[in-house]
Amino acid sequence: GAGVSQSPSNKVTEKGKDVELRCDPISGHTALYWYRQSLGQGLEFLIYFQGNSAPDKSGLPSDRFSAERTGGSVSTLTIQRTQQEDSAVYLCASSSDRDEQYFGPGTRLTVT
Amino acid sequence: QKEVEQDPGPLSVPEGAIVSLNCTYSNSAFQYFMWYRQYSRKGPELLMYTYSSGNKEDGRFTAQVDKSSKYISLFIRDSQPSDSATYLCAMKLSEGGKLIFGQGTELSVKP
Repeated sequence: GAGVSQSPSNKVTEKGKDVELRCDPISGHTALYWYRQSLGQGLEFLIYFQGNSAPDKSGLPSDRFSAERTGGSVSTLTIQRTQQEDSAVYLCASSSDRDEQYFGPGTRLTVT
Repeated sequence: QKEVEQDPGPLSVPEGAIVSLNCTYSNSAFQYFMWYRQYSRKGPELLMYTYSSGNKEDGRFTAQVDKSSKYISLFIRDSQPSDSATYLCAMKLSEGGKLIFGQGTELSVKP
């Protein structure tokens, strides 16, 4: 079946602008994760949604970052007032009860 | 000190060689261990998933976990040029929840 999809695949934005990144998880997967991958920091956890439970936001680096998951499916990661240090690849993953996390192709964000 | 340490390489081997990739970790509470393969400009692809000490084999890949030494390994037999990628180890505390990744090892298999 279809894997995790993310859009856009690339995003270039000016410093100070807001951006929205979208993730469509694998159908039927109850858990959804956002990670960020950058050269200096590697792959880092941002936020985790599991069913109807309150999300685990412990990895969000600042209050400029937020995410929501509508209808238990699609998720949007929003970065407000983008900074150059936000430039990275943003990866989404989803998992079912078997708990193996499957990743999407990522969104490459460049803040100029 | 990072929770998960992984030599970033790069590691270059001839085709057909046996490759050994390793990670060490500091938190003895980690229970679940994974290896992902990531090609350039692609998302990570799950290769192996284990939750107990010992070996798990899948084709040319063997994952090894030693919880007493806090050390995990991935072995690739009969390596192929198509195995050239970055290999990431990952682990987590419980069934649900975030993954903690190593820095990734860049592998190049030369024909």
